[in-house]
Amino acid sequence: EADIYQTPRYLVIGTGKKITLECSQTMGHDKMYWYQQDPGMELHLIHYSYGVNSTEKGDLSSESTVSRIRTEHFPLTLESARPSHTSQYLCASSERGREYSPLHFGNGTRLTVT
Amino acid sequence: AQSVTQLDSQVPVFEEAPVELRCNYSSSVSVYLFWYVQYPNQGLQLLLKYLSGSTLVKSINGFEAEFNKSQTSFHLRKPSVHISDTAEYFCAVSDRSGGFKTIFGAGTRLFVKA
Repeated sequence: EADIYQTPRYLVIGTGKKITLECSQTMGHDKMYWYQQDPGMELHLIHYSYGVNSTEKGDLSSESTVSRIRTEHFPLTLESARPSHTSQYLCASSERGREYSPLHFGNGTRLTVT
Repeated sequence: AQSVTQLDSQVPVFEEAPVELRCNYSSSVSVYLFWYVQYPNQGLQLLLKYLSGSTLVKSINGFEAEFNKSQTSFHLRKPSVHISDTAEYFCAVSDRSGGFKTIFGAGTRLFVKA
């Protein structure tokens, strides 16, 4: 049973639309992350947060934005979707206080922008 | 800078045969190493991890990986695979120079044939 939830699982949307990908976790983890996954490529970190009101950009430049108003919730927003945003987006969380803490992943949102 | 190289993008193997999935990393400091598995239409799950101590680490479902510092490798092995092992496997590294963010390889798709 998943402790980290992503919705929607699949989303097909037209160019120019605003979208929000939801991510929630019930484990009380302070650290949360968004990764972008394309076939045959490394997972790329696009955003992360180490706690409420803390957000940072990751290693891969992204036009998306994130917010962390509550510990359990870490939504990702695209103000104006483009075909280049087509990808799978994975949300993850980990415990604070342990530098080696492994990541717990949601099942992902597969986004297609037409 | 950290990087992870998974030398094989796809590995087809017959059921009950042994398998090795290769992973090399680059890091100038002490590292934490992980293998994650991704089954179809799911997020990643932690398979096993090396933090310190014994260089051979094992998972509950028969996989093992050996940390080799001199060769900067962390290959994953299983002596006899099952159909249910068909999945994508990701090697990952985390170290102090990267702020303990997790960096992933491009993945190896293991396909077990009957």
